Amino acid sequence: EAQVTQNPRYLITVTGKKLTVTCSQNMNHEYMSWYRQDPGLGLRQIYYSMNVEVTDKGDVPEGYKVSRKEKRNFPLILESPSPNQTSLYFCASRFGTGLNNEQFFGPGTRLTVL
Amino acid sequence: QKEVEQNSGPLSVPEGAIASLNCTYSDRGSQSFFWYRQYSGKSPELIMSIYSNGDKEDGRFTAQLNKASQYVSLLIRDSQPSDSATYLCALYPGGSYIPTFGRGTSLIVHP
Repeated sequence: EAQVTQNPRYLITVTGKKLTVTCSQNMNHEYMSWYRQDPGLGLRQIYYSMNVEVTDKGDVPEGYKVSRKEKRNFPLILESPSPNQTSLYFCASRFGTGLNNEQFFGPGTRLTVL
Repeated sequence: QKEVEQNSGPLSVPEGAIASLNCTYSDRGSQSFFWYRQYSGKSPELIMSIYSNGDKEDGRFTAQLNKASQYVSLLIRDSQPSDSATYLCALYPGGSYIPTFGRGTSLIVHP
C-alpha cells in the first residue's frame, strides 16, 4: 500500500530533551516536507526537501532540523524542544517537484512539550 | 505576506443540500489550487485540484477558479453527514515551492 508513515504518533516530552520524529514514504517520491498545524493558524510548512541531500527552510523553521540521507526517509529533529513546539505535525510527500502533483500526508504526530 | 482567506465557519447545511465553500487569495501570481478535506485529528486528503479558470467537476464535487477575482470555491452537491469535516484551501504562490494553506472552513451536514 502506498503510504507515508510517521512515528511516533503521540509523544509527550519535557523541555530541552532532544527528540526525532521519523517519516518514511514508499512511493519513491522526490519531494518531502514537514508541516505543523495549530488551532487558528492552519498548516504551516517547516522544512522541505526536493531530493536526497537537498533541504530548504519553509515558513517556520526555527527550532527544527531535518536531514535527507535517503530518498524514502525525512526525519524531523527537535534539538531542544520548547512548549511552543507543542503541535500536530504532518509529514507529506509528492512525486517530482511539479506543483500540480498531489501531496500525500502522513497520519500525523501529536507532540506535547511540557 | 501571501495570504489565503477562508471563512472559519462552521457552515451548517442540511443533508442533500449544496454546500458552498469559498477561498480568496492575495497573490495574483498564484497557481495550482487545491481543496483538501480534513476530519478531526486526521491528516488532510486531497479532494480536488484546479489549475485554470472555470469549473472542474468530480462526482459530487465541483471546484471553481476565477483568477481575475482571485477566488476559488468548492461546491458539494447532495451533501452527506460524512462530508462533515474541515475543508482546506491551498495554493502555490507565484514562483514558490512552498504551498500556502488557508485556515480551513468547518462544514457540518445535519440529517
